[in-house]
Amino acid sequence: AQRVTQPEKLLSVFKGAPVELKCNYSYSGSPELFWYVQYSRQRLQLLLRHISRESIKGFTADLNKGETSFHLKKPFAQEEDSAMYYCALYAYGGATNKLIFGTGTLLAVQP
Amino acid sequence: DAGITQSPRHKVTETGTPVTLRCHQTENHRYMYWYRQDPGHGLRLIHYSYGVKDTDKGEVSDGYSVSRSKTEDFLLTLESATSSQTSVYFCAIRDTSGGDEQYFGPGTRLTVT
Repeated sequence: AQRVTQPEKLLSVFKGAPVELKCNYSYSGSPELFWYVQYSRQRLQLLLRHISRESIKGFTADLNKGETSFHLKKPFAQEEDSAMYYCALYAYGGATNKLIFGTGTLLAVQP
Repeated sequence: DAGITQSPRHKVTETGTPVTLRCHQTENHRYMYWYRQDPGHGLRLIHYSYGVKDTDKGEVSDGYSVSRSKTEDFLLTLESATSSQTSVYFCAIRDTSGGDEQYFGPGTRLTVT
């Protein structure tokens, strides 16, 4: 079964603390994974994808196929990082390619 | 924002009435999607389209229909709205020109009373 699991509904940290948002996936093929961010009442925005291996706004995510994980990390949280974060898996099926989302983690960065 | 707009942005309607939400894109993308966003469920795919007049069901399609008569517009219809369809609805396109990412519209907040 194709599935994305984000075990934490809410993650609360203090400004300057490290952040790790967990994401685990289940997929039989070679996974393509994304992190999306949604600031309060705004549209979802692509934060990063594992293929590009880049760092956006200080966030990084490494694909660990052995642990089937794609955790999102940032060494020092900022208040402006407060948002809902969604991990997503791209499931390929020809015309039926689709993104499968996790249930999201709300990151709250306290001053 | 990949040229995606949604209308209306907010709507309140009564149970049993039909409702149509519109997604409009300006960049000629072939693939378009409708999701609903609910607390505890994340985003769930309702329907998607892979071309004009080519659509298929997602995981939560019951009570919804779609139409795509031209590339730029993808319509989502709630045939007879129910309170369980109170949600935020997002449209998305898939950009196949580069990294195959999906880009989202601003959302429509629908309340069914």
